[in-house]
Amino acid sequence: GAGVSQSPRYKVTKRGQDVALRCDPISGHVSLYWYRQALGQGPEFLTYFNYEAQQDKSGLPNDRFSAERPEGSISTLTIQRTEQRDSAMYRCASSLLLAAGELFFGEGSRLTVL
Amino acid sequence: QQQVKQSPQSLIVQKGGISIINCAYENTAFDYFPWYQQFPGKGPALLIAIRPDVSEKKEGRFTISFNKSAKQFSLHIMDSQPGDSATYFCAASRGGGSQGNLIFGKGTKLSVKP
Repeated sequence: GAGVSQSPRYKVTKRGQDVALRCDPISGHVSLYWYRQALGQGPEFLTYFNYEAQQDKSGLPNDRFSAERPEGSISTLTIQRTEQRDSAMYRCASSLLLAAGELFFGEGSRLTVL
Repeated sequence: QQQVKQSPQSLIVQKGGISIINCAYENTAFDYFPWYQQFPGKGPALLIAIRPDVSEKKEGRFTISFNKSAKQFSLHIMDSQPGDSATYFCAASRGGGSQGNLIFGKGTKLSVKP
């Protein structure tokens, strides 16, 4: 398929470890977004990129969270020194238009911090 | 502060009935209002969207009604089908329709009984 691909689909880690979540957007999509979705809640905005430039990171909870998209395609969301409260579904989305139009979401990466 | 308030949290409708989900917002700068549909285990997918220059938009069995003065918008699903059973999220964004920061409601779980 040509959808948004995220890996790993499931990640279990111990508190204090660093994790990296990967997103491969739909080919040709210029904007890429990261959201976090708690169980039974709507997606919560974290950050987004236009091409390789990070446009808005106001949703990142604290400085343990960072994201990059160095070549304007694949993106990595990194969480350092994980805490139990970081446990959630992390969703990536991409859009063909620049920060506009339909968002295509991936199936997410389920993070569990023990 | 929850910027987009969605109700009800859950909804049960008989097959053939009308499903109505409501959302309210505070920020008058919002100018793009999409609805996303999410099936279990999948990412949200765009269902229908509206901009505040129109009061209603219809696509097949799905209609968005928008009341700018009341800062409310709603999704109506006509002739509801069991296949419509999913979680529905309203959302809003600002900045000339830019979706850089899309704010989601908490979602409504719809069950359509055969």
